[in-house]
Amino acid sequence: SAVISQKPSRDICQRGTSLTIQCQVDSQVTMMFWYRQQPGQSLTLIATANQGSEATYESGFVIDKFPISRPNLTFSTLTVSNMSPEDSSIYLCSVEIQGVEQYFGPGTRLTVT
Amino acid sequence: QQQVKQSPQSLIVQKGGISIINCAYENTAFDYFPWYQQFPGKGPALLIAIRPDVSEKKEGRFTISFNKSAKQFSLHIMDSQPGDSATYFCAASSTSYGKLTFGQGTILTVHP
Repeated sequence: SAVISQKPSRDICQRGTSLTIQCQVDSQVTMMFWYRQQPGQSLTLIATANQGSEATYESGFVIDKFPISRPNLTFSTLTVSNMSPEDSSIYLCSVEIQGVEQYFGPGTRLTVT
Repeated sequence: QQQVKQSPQSLIVQKGGISIINCAYENTAFDYFPWYQQFPGKGPALLIAIRPDVSEKKEGRFTISFNKSAKQFSLHIMDSQPGDSATYFCAASSTSYGKLTFGQGTILTVHP
């Protein structure tokens, strides 16, 4: 498995501002993923972030709204830009280990007012 | 064709009973089927997973049953305990592209 940390663990932000979420893993991994989990809902994949290449976004998610960086094999950031109340969610990063198993971080709970 | 349908939405079981959660998928390219357990305020934790070359996998009190022809798989929790009360998600992916598609989740409550 892997030990994954996220910062911040929670935040309350004002409409129109941006928040950058950090994801750190304790071992080198090729594939990292960012998910959104709206209150009481399932997980929806935002994008896949491989080191050394541009992130691949899922339908409904765009780079201008959710820019992602992957500077090395243990770290990634997700920015939620120009936030609105609809962006209030839990944002989760995950890493792929042994080619298929995914392990999740604790999540960042975002409230936009 | 990417959907994974999970049922029931919620489940109440008495301590010591068997909890059963079912999932169905459509995409025949899926070849990896994990189950995640999520407690309030925590990220999902990988519980158990199966590949379609076996029909059953057991780890402690947790068993996955897999029916390839019906494109269905289920999680059985034997001797359910109050500490098992959590939300359970099934998921599926193809090892070719690695993206997990999640079911809608089942809120399990185990009464003491």
